[in-house]
Amino acid sequence: DQQVKQNSPSLSVQEGRISILNCDYTNSMFDYFLWYKKYPAEGPTFLISISSIKDKNEDGRFTVFLNKSAKHLSLHIVPSQPGDSAVYFCAASPNGGSQGNLIFGKGTKLSVKP
Amino acid sequence: NAGVMQNPRHLVRRRGQEARLRCSPMKGHSHVYWYRQLPEEGLKFMVYLQKENIIDESGMPKERFSAEFPKEGPSILRIQQVVRGDSAAYFCASSPPEYGYTFGSGTRLTVV
Repeated sequence: DQQVKQNSPSLSVQEGRISILNCDYTNSMFDYFLWYKKYPAEGPTFLISISSIKDKNEDGRFTVFLNKSAKHLSLHIVPSQPGDSAVYFCAASPNGGSQGNLIFGKGTKLSVKP
Repeated sequence: NAGVMQNPRHLVRRRGQEARLRCSPMKGHSHVYWYRQLPEEGLKFMVYLQKENIIDESGMPKERFSAEFPKEGPSILRIQQVVRGDSAAYFCASSPPEYGYTFGSGTRLTVV
């Protein structure tokens, strides 16, 4: 039973354009959401997060949008750069993002073409 | 300030052997988490430890798997009598008491 779903296994985008990665969740107890970026043979690195009391959080080229009624969040990267090519994982927490386990989606592999 | 250190990076074991995976948290971090990533899957939570305590082991398989985080030294994830299905990447993360995970680079376990 997948509580966090990333339905697109892969996404290909041209350099300079917008990348939109989507994530759906089923558990309404989740109150904090995070995006991680992962390169091959490395551990995930934290990218950006959002609390359920907000609907948008922005950090440079990265913006996360949260639609609680639809149980949907998305990560926008603009403009996309070749170095953004990686696997992106969406994760959810019922603990306000602090201690305790995170529930991860299966990831979306982003390829940004020069 | 070194990040979360995991070793070995790669580990090959024959079926039935034991695997020991080590994780040294970042300096000042007192909380350690272990996750497993099977091929083509996301990361799945296994266990959450503080020094000398297991806080949440709800993701640990009931048999053959154990974890510890002693007062001194690294956290250890131990898998006894490994089987082919244990082949995966095992990631450790650490955090300070208040907030924020940092992941290590993982240990890739291959069972032959």
